[in-house]
Amino acid sequence: SQQGEEDPQALSIQEGENATMNCSYKTSINNLQWYRQNSGRGLVHLILIRSNEREKHSGRLRVTLDTSKKSSSLLITASRAADTASYFCATASGNQFYFGTGTSLTVIP
Amino acid sequence: DTGVSQNPRHKITKRGQNVTFRCDPISEHNRLYWYRQTLGQGPEFLTYFQNEAQLEKSRLLSDRFSAERPKGSFSTLEIQRTEQGDSAMYLCASSFSVVSTNEKLFFGSGTQLSVL
Repeated sequence: SQQGEEDPQALSIQEGENATMNCSYKTSINNLQWYRQNSGRGLVHLILIRSNEREKHSGRLRVTLDTSKKSSSLLITASRAADTASYFCATASGNQFYFGTGTSLTVIP
Repeated sequence: DTGVSQNPRHKITKRGQNVTFRCDPISEHNRLYWYRQTLGQGPEFLTYFQNEAQLEKSRLLSDRFSAERPKGSFSTLEIQRTEQGDSAMYLCASSFSVVSTNEKLFFGSGTQLSVL
């Protein structure tokens, strides 16, 4: 079974708005990562946050991590139509990566 | 192209047939992973290799599934006696890992398997 759960399952916003998606996980982790997947394609790594970090930024992406609540959030600011994709969190525990169920983001032009 | 390459992109087969998929990782990467993904779900771990050694296998990987990575380069995933429930996207990913806290995966585009 999968380690994490994303919330919401689906999100639809207007271009220019911010998109926030959340991830909850179950066990202790080395790091947490977010990946993006366009329909019918492989996943692309977006950002990694280590277990001893609380917040990280990369361009329009902001990730937070709360290990006490076993949760993370991904914020995409000033969204664009090209951000339309599925977003997955992945927790690294030992030598395995566990992916959540994903959030499907639709950005309406 | 220096990314992860998977072949074929699509495979349609009849139930009971054997299929084999190939993954060519990024050349300097020492780890290679196989995942399976069904519609609307995240990738599920199947197995992974450190160089040529298969170090971990999921319980999802029944005895009909076998994976190899000879010489620590490309990898193959074979499914014998396919069943309709095997229909899924099979994803390969590779990474270079020395310290696990920094490891990130590079994925191929996947092989979409349809079992009729």
